[in-house]
Amino acid sequence: KQEVTQIPAALSVPEGENLVLNCSFTDSAIYNLQWFRQDPGKGLTSLLLIQSSQREQTSGRLNASLDKSSGRSTLYIAASQPGDSATYLCAVRPYNNNDMRFGAGTRLTVKP
Amino acid sequence: ETGVTQSPTHLIKTRGQQVTLRCSSQSGHNTVSWYQQALGQGPQFIFQYYREEENGRGNFPPRFSGLQFPNYSSELNVNALELDDSALYLCASSLLSRTYPNTGELFFGEGSRLTVL
Repeated sequence: KQEVTQIPAALSVPEGENLVLNCSFTDSAIYNLQWFRQDPGKGLTSLLLIQSSQREQTSGRLNASLDKSSGRSTLYIAASQPGDSATYLCAVRPYNNNDMRFGAGTRLTVKP
Repeated sequence: ETGVTQSPTHLIKTRGQQVTLRCSSQSGHNTVSWYQQALGQGPQFIFQYYREEENGRGNFPPRFSGLQFPNYSSELNVNALELDDSALYLCASSLLSRTYPNTGELFFGEGSRLTVL
C-alpha cells in the first residue's frame, strides 16, 4: 500500500528565502506525481505535474524534482513571498489504479 | 475554459440523514474523481467515474455512492450520515483517453464543506 509522507508538517520563513519542501513515498511504481497548493478552506490548485519518466518540472519560481528509485520528490520555492503562504500537498498516482495518494501536507508561512 | 465547479459550498446535516453533492467537470474533461478531506489531513480517494460508470473505488463503505451524467457532471451521495463524515468533499476532473497517453493531471474544485451534527 502506497504511503506518502511530507516533512516538515509546518514551516515558517522570512520573505525572500529559498525553501525546499519534501515528499517521500513507499512504492516507486508510480504513474506520476503532482504538487498542489491549498489555501485555508479552499480546493486544491495544481502547481506541477511530473510524469514517472521525468526528473523535474519548473514553473516560474517553482521547481519540482522526482527521484523514483529513492521514493522522493522535492518542491523548491525561490524568493518566497507572503502570498506563497498556504498548505502544499504532494500526491502520487500508482500504475493500474486511480487511487491517487496524498501526503498530509506542509503548512508554509512566509513572514513579511 | 470553465473550471471544476461544486455545489453546495457549505451544508449542515444531522446524523442519519442523506446528502447529495454535485460537481461539474472542467470543459473537455470526461472523468470525475471524488475525495474526502478531513481537517488537517490529505484528501482520500472515494471513487472515480468514467463514461458514467465507476472506474475505481477507495476504502469507503457502500453508503457512499455516485453517478456520472452524459455531460460528465457527477453526484456524490452519502446515506445514513455519521459524525465522522464531516469533512471537505473535493471533486476533481481529468481527461482519460484509451487511444493516446494520458497525463493523469487532476484539476480540483473548491469543495463542499459538510458538517454532520
